Amino acid sequence: KQEVTQIPAALSVPEGENLVLNCSFTDSAIYNLQWFRQDPGKGLTSLLLIQSSQREQTSGRLNASLDKSSGRSTLYIAASQPGDSATYLCAVETSGSRLTFGEGTQLTVNP
Amino acid sequence: KAGVTQTPRYLIKTRGQQVTLSCSPISGHRSVSWYQQTPGQGLQFLFEYFSETQRNKGNFPGRFSGRQFSNSRSEMNVSTLELGDSALYLCASSLYLGDYGYTFGSGTRLTVV
Repeated sequence: KQEVTQIPAALSVPEGENLVLNCSFTDSAIYNLQWFRQDPGKGLTSLLLIQSSQREQTSGRLNASLDKSSGRSTLYIAASQPGDSATYLCAVETSGSRLTFGEGTQLTVNP
Repeated sequence: KAGVTQTPRYLIKTRGQQVTLSCSPISGHRSVSWYQQTPGQGLQFLFEYFSETQRNKGNFPGRFSGRQFSNSRSEMNVSTLELGDSALYLCASSLYLGDYGYTFGSGTRLTVV
């Protein structure tokens, strides 16, 4: 059974800091890995999708890497801003077209 | 381009009642999945539909059911509501089955009293 773990569970940083969120998964037989952002009481916003054959994806100040063999992914956020405050969720897609989510990292960026 | 639309946004129901939630996927997307999010269990997969057929089902009791229409719109039904069914129900659409990434709607917040 696939299990996804995210570390840390919560993170508070001052504005402008670069930061790394970690995600690990137990079964390397994944189709892809997707990072999402969730604001309180809202739905999920897709940030980056990394196919299993890819090593990384970039979008603006966000960079996500994937090491399938070791079961790890990192989300790098450069020059963090207060608007980045949210919960960040990592999800892997496995056979059967289902997403398995981690518990999320709650990020607070202080002005 | 319209995103994934879920209706209603909020619902309050009484134990024992039933409820139907609706999801309209992104135009052209043929796969619709449903997830339940609770503080204790996090995000859990309910089921996925593609071409009007349930392709995959999570570990939920039979009180949870769904269907998909020919225009790819999907509905989810929960019968005999329990307090523990209170949750944010999220719908996600994808172009096809597998490996295309998912776009989520804003969710339906269900409260059972």
